[in-house]
Amino acid sequence: NAGVTQTPKFQVLKTGQSMTLQCAQDMNHEYMSWYRQDPGMGLRLIHYSVGAGITDQGEVPNGYNVSRSTTEDFPLRLLSAAPSQTSVYFCASSPTYNYGYTFGSGTRLTVV
Amino acid sequence: DAKTTQPTSMDCAEGRAANLPCNHSTISGNEYVYWYRQIHSQGPQYIIHGLKNNETNEMASLIITEDRKSSTLILPHATLRDTAVYYCIVGTGTASKLTFGTGTRLQVTL
Repeated sequence: NAGVTQTPKFQVLKTGQSMTLQCAQDMNHEYMSWYRQDPGMGLRLIHYSVGAGITDQGEVPNGYNVSRSTTEDFPLRLLSAAPSQTSVYFCASSPTYNYGYTFGSGTRLTVV
Repeated sequence: DAKTTQPTSMDCAEGRAANLPCNHSTISGNEYVYWYRQIHSQGPQYIIHGLKNNETNEMASLIITEDRKSSTLILPHATLRDTAVYYCIVGTGTASKLTFGTGTRLQVTL
């Protein structure tokens, strides 16, 4: 049982490049979310999903796309990277609506 | 979702109880109180949550006032490893939309 696995752990992108941050969980959790955390700030919700095939926008969705084709995977796509997207990205999952979330260890992204 | 107010920072001596307060005066009837913590730059760690009743688990206790407008997270015997930022979050059943504030930075000292 690996929990929530995020890859890569570190990434440097050039402005305008695209990439996908991977998130996988092996706990059969229905709920999954993506957050970003800027230095000295709390986490802000980007996108979330309440089950395979169902996604919705969070607080800061612009510049990011998601899809949920399986219960296990919830990738986050950066369409055209900008320096403002430099941040630490966390993926999280939960089995149900009133349960605590399990977070991954994060992806540290720098856009130059 | 209701907004929460927490002190920016707190200190606690190792071995003593750490009591972290949280105000959520605009909480609605179907909203839960969740506590998470973040140690250094790791991913947040779930601690405990509750709706109306006090809750206890192996990590901590959660005391919710009768009017549900405030709560207190209690770490009964704080250790140096409990030094972290603690987030109090109020959210509905759709926990996917939890909103993290800036939390309380707890420093446990010898």
